[in-house]
Amino acid sequence: EDQVTQSPEALRLQEGESSSLNCSYTVSGLRGLFWYRQDPGKGPEFLFTLYSAGEEKEKERLKATLTKKESFLHITAPKPEDSATYLCAVQAVRGSQGNLIFGKGTKLSVKP
Amino acid sequence: EAQVTQNPRYLITVTGKKLTVTCSQNMNHEYMSWYRQDPGLGLRQIYYSMNVEVTDKGDVPEGYKVSRKEKRNFPLILESPSPNQTSLYFCASRAGGHYGYTFGSGTRLTVV
Repeated sequence: EDQVTQSPEALRLQEGESSSLNCSYTVSGLRGLFWYRQDPGKGPEFLFTLYSAGEEKEKERLKATLTKKESFLHITAPKPEDSATYLCAVQAVRGSQGNLIFGKGTKLSVKP
Repeated sequence: EAQVTQNPRYLITVTGKKLTVTCSQNMNHEYMSWYRQDPGLGLRQIYYSMNVEVTDKGDVPEGYKVSRKEKRNFPLILESPSPNQTSLYFCASRAGGHYGYTFGSGTRLTVV
């Protein structure tokens, strides 16, 4: 069974304190891994797609990396506006491109 | 503006009274999907569609119906809602390939 596990469930950082969020996955074959940001009461917002081990994507203070078993979302010098829940999702090779499986997310709080 | 529009935003209904949540996208996306989000359970896929008249079950399809008669619309139908369907529902669409799902703003449904 395809599965996505995110850790930690919650993370509290001081402004400027860099850290990483983890997304580990078990799929028969990975077609793509997606990162999203979700603010309270809103729909998830797409951030990155990663396809193969060793791939990296960056956007402002965020950098996503991928290995054969997990992905990391590195947050460098975070600001309070980075506070949100970060979601990871995978698409399996044997599945349809419509079928994305999400993890439960990591709730990030950045204090000034 | 490229967007996914779902209505209503909030809905309170009674057990057994049929309801439809509408979803429309203006990006000509092939894929559309419905998710429900519950505390502690994360985002779970209900149904998805690969194109007009092509749909498939996600992880939690019981108690729901969908149809895709036009490319832009993907309504979610609850024939006989029950209290365990109280949840936050998201519609989403994607072009496939590099792009993740674009999500709507959500429908908060309460079944009493």
